[in-house]
Parts: sequence; structure tokens; C-alpha cells
Amino acid sequence: DAGITQSPRHKVTETGTPVTLRCHQTENHRYMYWYRQDPGHGLRLIHYSYGVKDTDKGEVSDGYSVSRSKTEDFLLTLESATSSQTSVYFCAIGRNNQPQHFGDGTRLSIL
Amino acid sequence: AQTVTQSQPEMSVQEAETVTLSCTYDTSENNYYLFWYKQPPSRQMILVIRQEAYKQQNATENRFSVNFQKAAKSFSLKISDSQLGDTAMYFCAFMKPLSTSGTYKYIFGTGTRLKVLA
Repeated sequence: DAGITQSPRHKVTETGTPVTLRCHQTENHRYMYWYRQDPGHGLRLIHYSYGVKDTDKGEVSDGYSVSRSKTEDFLLTLESATSSQTSVYFCAIGRNNQPQHFGDGTRLSIL
Repeated sequence: AQTVTQSQPEMSVQEAETVTLSCTYDTSENNYYLFWYKQPPSRQMILVIRQEAYKQQNATENRFSVNFQKAAKSFSLKISDSQLGDTAMYFCAFMKPLSTSGTYKYIFGTGTRLKVLA
């Protein structure tokens, strides 16, 4: 177990509401990532962080924002959820060119 | 742009038999890494095996081995002596440096669903 906890594990919400997903790590890794997993697409990078307050966009960042105020926490926010953001969200941590370790995922349904 | 292609959406194999999952990728990079991840129904992403592009020797982890053909940009996974617990979705992934920040980016294939039959 790489010491990554995602919360919540499941969430159902309505279109237009704000949603925040949390990723917490106990490994003191510098690099953290948010991915979404959709059928037919594999996992795609939403945002990533390379340090406290240092974040950047991935390939599918529209509609998402992130924050990292502490090394151990990386938050993903959907300011106004849309049905197209229904997905499974994974957080990952990494150390340079080493394999990334993934959390258990959050299943988010937006009705 | 880099792409990763897994051309077999679903496969099945008899218990104790051998199966090979295919993966091809497209890149102009020279410094990269390749991985196979397993995702069982529990949804966890579990690292199966890793290959550095600069290494010619194929990686092996117990019953799992790869056939890495750099010139052909091919990275197949062979599972020997298949077990019921190998039933899962398998993802091929390509990793390269994302920026000077030291971060690395994964590009995943769409996955192959493997079912091991008793």
C-alpha cells in the first residue's frame, strides 16, 4: 500500500453543484496527479502538482481546478459539475521517473 | 503527440495456459518508460511490470514478461500459467518527462479485458 487515500469513494450529485475530491498521501512525495477514467479512453491526466502551490494543467483540465496547500493533500474541484464529468477519478503520487502509485479511485455520478 | 494502442478489447484464456496482450505506441522521444498495469474489479491500479526504453533486455516479473521491440514500437505482455486471479483489465502505459519540473506524464491505452476461464 503506497499510502494514498481518496475521499469520498463514491459520490452522487446534481448538475451545477460544486464538488471537491480529496487525495491524501503519507509518503511525502513531491509529485501528485489527478486522472479520470472513462470507457474507451483509459486514464487521462487532468492536473498535476510538483510541489506545494505548484500545479499545472493536463490534457483534460477544462472544468476542473486543483489546489495543494500542503505536501500531503491535493484537492480536485469541479466548480459547477456537468454530466460529462461523470467518471472514475484517480489520484496518483510519483517520484521522478518511478512508477506512479494510484489511490483506490472515486466514482462520481452527476445527475 | 504520443499515442498508445491496445488492439484487443477483450481476451480469454484457459487456466494454466499462456496469453499475450499486445500494445503499440507512437513517439519520437528517446527517453521514456513503458508499463503494464492491472485493474481488477476492485478498481485498484496495480503495477505489473516496467521497462526502460534504453534497456534492450526484456523485463520479467515472475509469471509476467514483456516483449519489447523498440524499433517496432511494440510492448506486449505475456502471462504464463494463467490464474483465475489474473482476470482483470490490463492497461499499457507510456511515460515521459512532462516538463522541467521533474514531473512525468502517463499516456494510457484503452485497455484489454482479460478473463481467465476455469
